Amino acid sequence: DGGITQSPKYLFRKEGQNVTLSCEQNLNHDAMYWYRQDPGQGLRLIYYSQIVNDFQKGDIAEGYSVSREKKESFPLTVTSAQKNPTAFYLCASSTRWGLGYGYTFGSGTRLTVV
Amino acid sequence: RKEVEQDPGPFNVPEGATVAFNCTYSNSASQSFFWYRQDCRKEPKLLMSVYSSGNEDGRFTAQLNRASQYISLLIRDSKLSDSATYLCVVNVGGSQGNLIFGKGTKLSVKP
Repeated sequence: DGGITQSPKYLFRKEGQNVTLSCEQNLNHDAMYWYRQDPGQGLRLIYYSQIVNDFQKGDIAEGYSVSREKKESFPLTVTSAQKNPTAFYLCASSTRWGLGYGYTFGSGTRLTVV
Repeated sequence: RKEVEQDPGPFNVPEGATVAFNCTYSNSASQSFFWYRQDCRKEPKLLMSVYSSGNEDGRFTAQLNRASQYISLLIRDSKLSDSATYLCVVNVGGSQGNLIFGKGTKLSVKP
């Protein structure tokens, strides 16, 4: 079955470390997105990519980096510059022009700073 | 004014009740509208798209009023399994294709 896979499910980061969250999709979707969700809060857009080798900053890109070398993959690196990284991270994908269809989400990664 | 606003709830209702959620959006150029459901500590899942003509899927009915920039979701005959947070989602169009998510309304259905 087609879907979008995030790993790991849980991740613990020490202060000053960079960590990378994986996101892979086999839906043949052109566009991919990273969101952050804090308890009791809505989703906030970190980065998005409409096409391979191109990506754009979202509303809260500071302290994060991404790459889009393959259509299927859109990893997110949380750098040491991100001062408050503890959150639920969600990756999503969509058809590039299928704006009427919404997004498909992965099951998320919970990142905790220890 | 926030782009997508919802009553945060929680809405506590008995099984079998009818419950309505409302949502307003600020961008009149918005083109696509959705309701997502998010269970506790899980990812959001698409519940239904919302069309100007209104649409129904079983016990769920969604309505869109473009003039008032208002979206609604009605759940009839509530089930325990309907307990979740319901997210109002709007797409403002253009090439970016970015969805704007409301913070969600929490529903708790009690026996």
